Amino acid sequence: QLQLRESGPGLVKPSETLSLTCTVSGGSISSSDYYWAWIRQPPGKGLEWIGAIYYSGSTYYNPSLKSRVSISVDTSKNQFSLKLNSVTAADTAVYYCARDFVVPDFWGQGTLVTVSS
Amino acid sequence: DIQMTQFPSSLSASVGDTVTITCRASQGISNYLAWFQQKPGKAPRSLIYAASSLQSGVPSKFSGSGSGTDFTLTINSLQPEDFATYYCQQYSSYPRTFGQGTNLEIK
Repeated sequence: QLQLRESGPGLVKPSETLSLTCTVSGGSISSSDYYWAWIRQPPGKGLEWIGAIYYSGSTYYNPSLKSRVSISVDTSKNQFSLKLNSVTAADTAVYYCARDFVVPDFWGQGTLVTVSS
Repeated sequence: DIQMTQFPSSLSASVGDTVTITCRASQGISNYLAWFQQKPGKAPRSLIYAASSLQSGVPSKFSGSGSGTDFTLTINSLQPEDFATYYCQQYSSYPRTFGQGTNLEIK
């Protein structure tokens, strides 16, 4: 059974870098069938697609975040990661990782990241 | 970016009712449209892709239709577990974009 789990600090200071890792179990991140995505949801608001990565390292980013975001993959650990720099309170959200097979079909439980001093 | 607009933004219905949610794209997206269900405190669940194809394990009470710019999600015979927020998403181009959500509440 495929599972995805987000991990990382729940509190980040303004202007610093948010770093999260998604660990994939029950399946290989190196499968040629899937992209692996990050999606976020500010409290009480809708969903925002952040970006996605293929096992080869090919990436797509949301232009609204592109200058601040980086997604990487570590196939040896079956993990992919998100870095978002220069964060502000507007980046406070639940961050989800997901397998993207045409559309995100398996999601992690999500992790709340709060940006506050 | 392709803008996705859902309506209504909220909807009240009773158990047993049939409801329809609409999603409109700012430009044609063929049938590259998905629907998700989200319950409070939970991750979204994929229901439909390619506008009308059900994900594995999704009951047939959910159905989708549309092509181009206008799409609908219909839920038949509402049960208590169906009351949730529903989102559409286009995957015709990057960045993927979601509608703002439709909150389906019990009347």
